[in-house]
Amino acid sequence: DIQMTQSPSTLSTSVGDRVTITCRASQSISTWLAWYQQKPGKAPKLLIYEASTLHSGVPSRFSGSGSGTQFTLTISSLQPDDFATYYCQQYNSFPYSFGQGTKLEIK
Amino acid sequence: VQLVESGGLVVPPGGSLRLSCAASGFKIDDYAMHWVRQPPGKGLEWVSLITWDGVSTYYADSVKGRFTISRDNNKHSLFLQMNSLRSEDTALYYCAKDVSGSGGMADYWGQGTLVTVSS
Repeated sequence: DIQMTQSPSTLSTSVGDRVTITCRASQSISTWLAWYQQKPGKAPKLLIYEASTLHSGVPSRFSGSGSGTQFTLTISSLQPDDFATYYCQQYNSFPYSFGQGTKLEIK
Repeated sequence: VQLVESGGLVVPPGGSLRLSCAASGFKIDDYAMHWVRQPPGKGLEWVSLITWDGVSTYYADSVKGRFTISRDNNKHSLFLQMNSLRSEDTALYYCAKDVSGSGGMADYWGQGTLVTVSS
């Protein structure tokens, strides 16, 4: 089974900051990686798929990159609405798996 | 697209439960469907997927042999039969629509139904 590891687990940031979250897969998953955003009490929302393709309606300040085992999610200029928890997920092979999540907190 | 889960309850360890997900706003028989769960205060765990035609099903190791995913496309519904429940199965269970018929990422999610396994 493929293990997904995100870092950091928590990030204290400020509005306007450039933020980078890293996701590492225990084996190569090509670009079969998605990123989700989840706010407290809400269902996750798809942000990015195939490692770098922005889902419809997602602001362009979000971007994704990587392939193989190393991936990043970048928010170019953090907005108040972006304080949330972010998860990566591999869908290269079953069983699918999520990272443990990265929580963005207000500094 | 709307996904509405139901069936969550408090159930004793070793008990059984059947979750349902009612889908609307899209043609369910074109898409694979997922169940994903989230224990209180913790992260997301992928649970299961069923392909568009119900022929292929996949499970997390933690639920394999105890949970069964199924669907009724005529009734626009997805199900999760949960047997031999354990305390670690306590979670909010989400139903989610896949972007394809065979499996990939989930582009729409329901709001979840809470399952509590406790005596």
